Amino acid sequence: EAEVAQSPRYKITEKSQAVAFWCDPISGHATLYWYRQILGQGPELLVQFQDESVVDDSQLPKDRFSAERLKGVDSTLKIQPAELGDSAMYLCASSFVEQRNIQYFGAGTRLSVL
Amino acid sequence: SQQGEEDPQALSIQEGENATMNCSYKTSINNLQWYRQNSGRGLVHLILIRSNEREKHSGRLRVTLDTSKKSSSLLITASRAADTASYFCATDAGAGNMLTFGGGTRLMVKP
Repeated sequence: EAEVAQSPRYKITEKSQAVAFWCDPISGHATLYWYRQILGQGPELLVQFQDESVVDDSQLPKDRFSAERLKGVDSTLKIQPAELGDSAMYLCASSFVEQRNIQYFGAGTRLSVL
Repeated sequence: SQQGEEDPQALSIQEGENATMNCSYKTSINNLQWYRQNSGRGLVHLILIRSNEREKHSGRLRVTLDTSKKSSSLLITASRAADTASYFCATDAGAGNMLTFGGGTRLMVKP
């Protein structure tokens, strides 16, 4: 069964360093989402792409976070500089345009900022 | 911000018992979904109920939706140890089909 691939699975970094996460959605899924999930809470949307275009990034802290999906397939989420409060699980999800209601999630990247 | 609020936050039951978890939300919705998350993993879609539906079944899952009360419930019947996970409701309020997740219910099923 096709899956959303994310890497790395775990990332430990020091504050003020730069980190990057990668996501490869299920083939054919035009819509891609990045979420942040703080331990014990539900996921919160950071950014949504439709193909290579940003649909919504209203909750993305743009002073330090950036996201791109240059060819409309895989995507990268970057944090620079990382802060202690960025420690969380970063989840990527994708969906069919025709079925945007149902999202398929990757296993996530667990970020720890020291 | 999170639209949905799950209740209870944590639930511990014995294998074979039924588990009921509730979700309340604030604004009108197109549909409501339930997702499951095993510890340290991504979320898995369980079931979707549209705003014009009142009840839906899928295997051992039963979901109800009361739009007048802005609430939904998820019932897992004959629970198994493998059902141990966090369960999240997610609402689609129609703005670009984006989902807003609640804080989740952590279910533990003891063998």
